[in-house]
Amino acid sequence: EPEVTQTPSHQVTQMGQEVILHCVPISNHLYFYWYRQILGQKVEFLVSFYNNEISEKSEIFDDQFSVERPDGSNFTLKIRSTKLEDSAMYFCASRQTLAGGQETQYFGPGTRLLVL
Amino acid sequence: GQSLEQPSEVTAVEGAIVQINCTYQTSGFYGLSWYQQHDGGAPTFLSYNALDGLEETGRFSSFLSRSDSYGYLLLQELQMKDSASYFCAVRMRDSGGGADGLTFGKGTHLIIQP
Repeated sequence: EPEVTQTPSHQVTQMGQEVILHCVPISNHLYFYWYRQILGQKVEFLVSFYNNEISEKSEIFDDQFSVERPDGSNFTLKIRSTKLEDSAMYFCASRQTLAGGQETQYFGPGTRLLVL
Repeated sequence: GQSLEQPSEVTAVEGAIVQINCTYQTSGFYGLSWYQQHDGGAPTFLSYNALDGLEETGRFSSFLSRSDSYGYLLLQELQMKDSASYFCAVRMRDSGGGADGLTFGKGTHLIIQP
């Protein structure tokens, strides 16, 4: 069964450093998302991406964040200057569109980011 | 403000039935989804309701009442592997085609006892 993959599984970085999180969505999906989950808390929406542009972003997704689809398969989240509070699990998700709508978002296994 | 309320923890016995409620107060509403998450794992889609009524998928069912801003997830014939966190999530916007993100509740930790 096709699945969303994410690399790395864990990332440790120093405050102020840039990190890039990688995702490979399911191949025939058209909508891509990033969410984050701080330990013990709920999943929070960051950004959605469709047709090579951002469709929607939350208040969390400030100027420090950017997303890119550099080729036909990868979808990346960049944090330019990490802060301690960016420590969280970051999930990528993708969604297929079908006639009549298909609500299922398929989540990847996540990248656990620790900012020291 | 936006809020989705669900109980923080529910305990049930193996083989029993359990209902996890979710009430929402959001600026827009285009459907209620339910996701399961095991410790350290990714959220996994369980069910979705856009219209009032009951949706059944195997041992799991989900119900929605849009007039009451309320929904629930019903789990039957509980198994130990059902021990996990369950999140309700709302899609608040419909910009056409489904590019909109989900707003999640804080999750209900379901504990199954033998």
